[in-house]
Amino acid sequence: NAGVTQTPKFRVLKTGQSMTLLCAQDMNHEYMYWYRQDPGMGLRLIHYSVGEGTTAKGEVPDGYNVSRLKKQNFLLGLESAAPSQTSVYFCASRQGDGTYNEQFFGPGTRLTVL
Amino acid sequence: AQSVTQLGSHVSVSEGALVLLRCNYSSSVPPYLFWYVQYPNQGLQLLLKYTSAATLVKGINGFEAEFKKSETSFHLTKPSAHMSDAAEYFCAVSSINNNDMRFGAGTRLTVKP
Repeated sequence: NAGVTQTPKFRVLKTGQSMTLLCAQDMNHEYMYWYRQDPGMGLRLIHYSVGEGTTAKGEVPDGYNVSRLKKQNFLLGLESAAPSQTSVYFCASRQGDGTYNEQFFGPGTRLTVL
Repeated sequence: AQSVTQLGSHVSVSEGALVLLRCNYSSSVPPYLFWYVQYPNQGLQLLLKYTSAATLVKGINGFEAEFKKSETSFHLTKPSAHMSDAAEYFCAVSSINNNDMRFGAGTRLTVKP
């Protein structure tokens, strides 16, 4: 049981390049989340999904797109990377049975945009 | 809208001393409050959570937190710090649907021998 995994762990992009971050969970969780973590700002929610085929905007969605084609995967895309998107990205998942359940976090992806 | 303020970006204590990390929240609906810990180069791990049951919440690794509605606070404490407690700690608040979680800026705890 690997929990929440993220691919890649590190990436360096040039301004304008595109990339996709992959999050996978093997806990059969309904809900999945993408956060970014910046120094002195904690974590901020980018997008989330309440089930396969659904996505919704979080606190800071601009410049990002997401897809949830399979229940276990949640992809975060950057179509045209900007230096302001340099950050550490965390994926999380939780059960969705109507009561509160904790979010389980992946190890993070460190992205640098030059 | 909900928000969290963590007082003190860095806290340093001696091994065996009391740990007190401060968190104040703002919420227009009944809050659900959390403390997470992040060790270097790792993701976040839940320490404890308040979900409107007991106001004194006990978590893992000897940590506990008390929800005080009158003070809008949810401070994290541990009676005796251990070297392994050195990490960054995040307070977070959400509503019942948990899709709107807001994190504080974090407090880095250093434990001196």
